[in-house]
Amino acid sequence: GENVEQHPSTLSVQEGDSAVIKCTYSDSASNYFPWYKQELGKRPQLIIDIRSNVGEKKDQRIAVTLNKTAKHFSLHITETQPEDSAVYFCAPPPYGQNFVFGPGTRLSVLP
Amino acid sequence: DTGVSQDPRHKITKRGQNVTFRCDPISEHNRLYWYRQTLGQGPEFLTYFQNEAQLEKSRLLSDRFSAERPKGSFSTLEIQRTEQGDSAMYLCASSLGTGINEQYFGPGTRLTVT
Repeated sequence: GENVEQHPSTLSVQEGDSAVIKCTYSDSASNYFPWYKQELGKRPQLIIDIRSNVGEKKDQRIAVTLNKTAKHFSLHITETQPEDSAVYFCAPPPYGQNFVFGPGTRLSVLP
Repeated sequence: DTGVSQDPRHKITKRGQNVTFRCDPISEHNRLYWYRQTLGQGPEFLTYFQNEAQLEKSRLLSDRFSAERPKGSFSTLEIQRTEQGDSAMYLCASSLGTGINEQYFGPGTRLTVT
């Protein structure tokens, strides 16, 4: 089955700094790479995704980069704000199409 | 239709009792997923449906768990003979189409087994 890892597991940054979270996966058949954000007590919500025919995608302060050869993709958040504090999950689906979520990265943006 | 809904939002039950949860997906969504999430962990896949067909079921899902989506709309997840280890948040999600697309999650049902 798919083995998904995230690094780091926790991350603290000063408001205004950038944050980068990396997701590594094992199934080379994966072709869809989403990032979900889950605030405390709330449901996970998609914040950005990328498909394998694209190497990078940006949406305002958020970007995702993909390295299919090395089997990892990263979430980049620039100019972090307190409302970015949450747990972030990557979820690259393996060929079997079920979704495997990573263990999560807890991001804290310090004022 | 403003999103995925789940009922109940909270359920407290005694060990050994059966419980059933309901999920109403976004109306035009073909796919429906069930996950379990415990504190500090990511959502753990349980099963998913394409319309009314249950296409995949996690090996982690014991035979005490069963899910249905009889008309391809709402779904139910039943847990028989609950155990304390079943205590968790049960999340439902739905997505559009037959490929892999964004999942929209419901608010979850928090189960506490005493």
